[in-house]
Amino acid sequence: QVQLVESGGGVVQPGRSLRLSCAVSGFSVGTYTMHWVRQAPGKGLEWVTLMSIDGSAKYYADSVKGRFTISRDISRNTLYLQLNSLTVDDTALYYCARGEMPTIDVEFDYWGQGTLVTVSS
Amino acid sequence: DTQIIQSPSSLSASVGDRVTITCRASQTISIYLNWFQQKPGKAPKLLIYTASSLQSGVPSRFSGSGSGTDFTLTISSLQPEDFAIYYCQQSYSTPYTFGQGTKLEIK
Repeated sequence: QVQLVESGGGVVQPGRSLRLSCAVSGFSVGTYTMHWVRQAPGKGLEWVTLMSIDGSAKYYADSVKGRFTISRDISRNTLYLQLNSLTVDDTALYYCARGEMPTIDVEFDYWGQGTLVTVSS
Repeated sequence: DTQIIQSPSSLSASVGDRVTITCRASQTISIYLNWFQQKPGKAPKLLIYTASSLQSGVPSRFSGSGSGTDFTLTISSLQPEDFAIYYCQQSYSTPYTFGQGTKLEIK
């Protein structure tokens, strides 16, 4: 059974850092691309970042480039998102989502429940 | 970056109605367009991928069409559980932009 469980959110001051985790079960994070998507309170969905299957390629939204870093630990089957230099505009519910694997075009088929990051002084 | 314009932003309809939501991309995205449904307090749910492929477990009243820049989500006969917010998303090139969302409300 596929499951993604995010953690690590909380209240943090502007300029500080936070690391989010996404613990995965039911598949390996090393065999699918993986994404983070966020949703500010009462707003729409914003794609944040993608890691390729082999981990060599990482792509970011312009709004987080240079501040956020996606990574993974295959042995722990966990995806991470390091958030640095946080601003109030980063306040959102952060979701991890499964991407695609070779020869299969379906992606974003499984999502976690989200972890809330609140940036406030 | 590819911009996605979704319309309408809100829609009132009745149970049994046929409804259509559209998305237009600012450049060609081939068939790499996904549709999601989101209910309050829940994560988005994938309905349609690659423009017209029905995700496993999704009722057949949902269908998608289009290619290039213009895409459509159709719900053939609205059910009470379909009232939600719908998003389209292009997955052709990063950043994987979402549409602004369509709130489907009960008339």
